[in-house]
Amino acid sequence: SQQGEEDPQALSIQEGENATMNCSYKTSINNLQWYRQNSGRGLVHLILIRSNEREKHSGRLRVTLDTSKKSSSLLITASRAADTASYFCATDGSSGYALNFGKGTSLLVTP
Amino acid sequence: DVKVTQSSRYLVKRTGEKVFLECVQDMDHENMFWYRQDPGLGLRLIYFSYDVKMKEKGDIPEGYSVSREKKERFSLILESASTNQTSMYLCASSFTRVTKYEQYFGPGTRLTVT
Repeated sequence: SQQGEEDPQALSIQEGENATMNCSYKTSINNLQWYRQNSGRGLVHLILIRSNEREKHSGRLRVTLDTSKKSSSLLITASRAADTASYFCATDGSSGYALNFGKGTSLLVTP
Repeated sequence: DVKVTQSSRYLVKRTGEKVFLECVQDMDHENMFWYRQDPGLGLRLIYFSYDVKMKEKGDIPEGYSVSREKKERFSLILESASTNQTSMYLCASSFTRVTKYEQYFGPGTRLTVT
């Protein structure tokens, strides 16, 4: 069952700009994860933020989590053309094993 | 680095054929997963396995079965392929429960059923 929902569905920016994607979910979570998928490829894990964390950084990525609003955001700073991909948020499912993925935000970064 | 491999990148099968999709991981992960990905629907879980010979249904198991005889290998079986099973199939593995750890994905198999 899909729990996370990303917003916007599509985002187009120029190189050097920042890109912000949002994710909302419905039930309580233990952690929230962000993944990237280049066209026609598998997903790559970017970052995991636990429910007791509010913000996490990894290189040019900044993730925030607001459990009271059941939402998260992914910020990519100083975007590059290579950041062009789809980005998915995922929350741990009720089984504790599988993830519930959103439908993704498609990011296009133009030179 | 964790490596998850899938037997084929592209596959074309006919309606009614039995189809096997193979997935192998090399990091001794306990859990393995099969998802399908369709435009506008995102990723949907078909089956997962948390141990050898153990399996659990995901959100859309109908028309599929799985096999996990060895820890490193997880197979997805389409008993009688139908055109509505045309999709991108993604295999993933994780060390243990995803309450703590991320999943690692294979490159995907794009299956077309004609």
